[in-house]
Amino acid sequence: DQQVKQNSPSLSVQEGRISILNCDYTNSMFDYFLWYKKYPAEGPTFLISISSIKDKNEDGRFTVFLNKSAKHLSLHIVPSQPGDSAVYFCAASPTTSGTYKYIFGTGTRLKVLA
Amino acid sequence: KAGVTQTPRYLIKTRGQQVTLSCSPISGHRSVSWYQQTPGQGLQFLFEYFSETQRNKGNFPGRFSGRQFSNSRSEMNVSTLELGDSALYLCASSSTIGTDTQYFGPGTRLTVL
Repeated sequence: DQQVKQNSPSLSVQEGRISILNCDYTNSMFDYFLWYKKYPAEGPTFLISISSIKDKNEDGRFTVFLNKSAKHLSLHIVPSQPGDSAVYFCAASPTTSGTYKYIFGTGTRLKVLA
Repeated sequence: KAGVTQTPRYLIKTRGQQVTLSCSPISGHRSVSWYQQTPGQGLQFLFEYFSETQRNKGNFPGRFSGRQFSNSRSEMNVSTLELGDSALYLCASSSTIGTDTQYFGPGTRLTVL
């Protein structure tokens, strides 16, 4: 049972346009969410996070939106650049125990076309 | 500051063998987590170690085990390898067990023939 779902395995976007990557979760205990980016032959790199007390967090070209009622989060990249082409993973964790146990989605491969 | 290192980077084994993977966390980091990445399954959490103790465990069979040493280095062992164990095994470190950001190593690509 996949608790964190990324239903789009791939996405192609023109350079300069907005990329929107989506993630849905099923466990209402999740209250901390992250996005990671992964290039081939490298480990995932942390991008941006958001806790459930917020509905938006912005860091440069990257913005994460959280809709708790819909159990949905999205990552917006504006403007998209060819160097953003990678696999993006969303991850969620409950923090009630004071520790973080991350559940990752299956990833979305973003291709930014020059 | 050096990043998370994993050795070896690539490994080929045959069914029934066992394998040990190694992870050195970022200096000063005391928490090490292991993940398995396979196509279509994303990253699946294996276990987390902190101060030489396993603190969290994912839903993997007992063939998967790990340990952490006093210098925070961690090893993961898989016994009686199966074809389905072929995957990228990623190690991630964080400064302490209660923190958010994990820093990943490049992974060990295990192929079971």
